[in-house]
Amino acid sequence: QVQLQESGPGLVKPSQTLSLTCTVSGVSITSGGNFWSWIRQHPGRGLEWIGYIYYSGNTYYNPSLKSRVSISLDTSTNRFSLKLTSVTAADTAVYYCAKFDYSRWFGPWGQGTQVTVSS
Amino acid sequence: EIVMTQSPITLSVSPGERATLSCRASQSVNSNLAWYQQRPGQAPRLLIYGASTRATAIPASFSGSGSGTEFTLTISSLQSEDFAVYYCQQYNDWPRTFGQGTKVEIK
Repeated sequence: QVQLQESGPGLVKPSQTLSLTCTVSGVSITSGGNFWSWIRQHPGRGLEWIGYIYYSGNTYYNPSLKSRVSISLDTSTNRFSLKLTSVTAADTAVYYCAKFDYSRWFGPWGQGTQVTVSS
Repeated sequence: EIVMTQSPITLSVSPGERATLSCRASQSVNSNLAWYQQRPGQAPRLLIYGASTRATAIPASFSGSGSGTEFTLTISSLQSEDFAVYYCQQYNDWPRTFGQGTKVEIK
């Protein structure tokens, strides 16, 4: 059974870098064909796809965030990570990691982690 | 990017009744559409992909239909655990985009 769990600081200051990690269990993140993704949900609002990383390390980002986002793999710990630079209050959201089947649909998801951008 | 619009925003339904949720795409997404359920305080859960294929362990009370730009999620007989927010998501084009959600509440 594949499970994901996000971790990282819940509070980030404006202009700094948001860094989150997703720990995956039940499958190797480098298993062939697996995509992994980050999605966020602004308070009381819908879902926004941030980007994905393929098991090979290839990435693709939402153009709306592309200049500030990077996603990486840590194969030694079976984790993947998100970095979002130059954050503002508009980046306050619940951040989810998810398995991204065939780069099409998302599931399962982690439980989510709240990140607030504030001084 | 493809804009997904869901309606209604809120749907009030009595337990045991049928719920019908709509999702419209700003351009054709063929059958490349998924539905998710999000219960309060929980992460979204995949319900349907390919517009009409139920994901693993999803009960038959959930069904999806449609293609092109118009899609429907039907819950045949609402149980207490079905009162939640439902999102559609297209995967026909990049970036992947979601609808704004439909909240199904108890009438």
